Amino acid sequence: RKEVEQDPGPFNVPEGATVAFNCTYSNSASQSFFWYRQDCRKEPKLLMSVYSSGNEDGRFTAQLNRASQYISLLIRDSKLSDSATYLCVAHTGRRALTFGSGTRLQVQP
Amino acid sequence: EAQVTQNPRYLITVTGKKLTVTCSQNMNHEYMSWYRQDPGLGLRQIYYSMNVEVTDKGDVPEGYKVSRKEKRNFPLILESPSPNQTSLYFCASSTSRGRTYEQYFGPGTRLTVT
Repeated sequence: RKEVEQDPGPFNVPEGATVAFNCTYSNSASQSFFWYRQDCRKEPKLLMSVYSSGNEDGRFTAQLNRASQYISLLIRDSKLSDSATYLCVAHTGRRALTFGSGTRLQVQP
Repeated sequence: EAQVTQNPRYLITVTGKKLTVTCSQNMNHEYMSWYRQDPGLGLRQIYYSMNVEVTDKGDVPEGYKVSRKEKRNFPLILESPSPNQTSLYFCASSTSRGRTYEQYFGPGTRLTVT
């Protein structure tokens, strides 16, 4: 079983739609969680951190449910420029980040 | 400009021919890491380094070597490449002062081993 699992998609949504991704993690020792964004054939870039209390950054909201071991990302009012792959990431101690395989989002005009 | 650079960006080679992919960062970051990305498997860590002369294995270290002689450089060495090492490779760096999650990635090196 993968440590971080995501639905690969693709999620095809019209502009202006609200879309939500979920991600589950298996290592209960994971301390911190993040969403990275990766455009096609480009490097991943940090999108936002995920806190138990929820984290909102403009149109993006991330939430963590430790009891159920899942993380969510909500994108409101989708833009064409939001089309990308969204990587769910768990941080366990000092070693490194564990990445999910990513969920692909395609926003259509 | 703060950045992580990798060279080469694209490389096609043959089985068994030693190669090195260079990685350099100009942000004075202590932590550096190498990942490979394969379809359906996501990013998997190969090796990481917490500081100069300090390296450790990640999840998929077999067939790779690294060294960290200088803070800014973290080359990835494939002594005898094989076709299963065909992949997209990313180098990343971050400060180790509490924010190791905010990793800055290089542009990637697409390696094909025939």
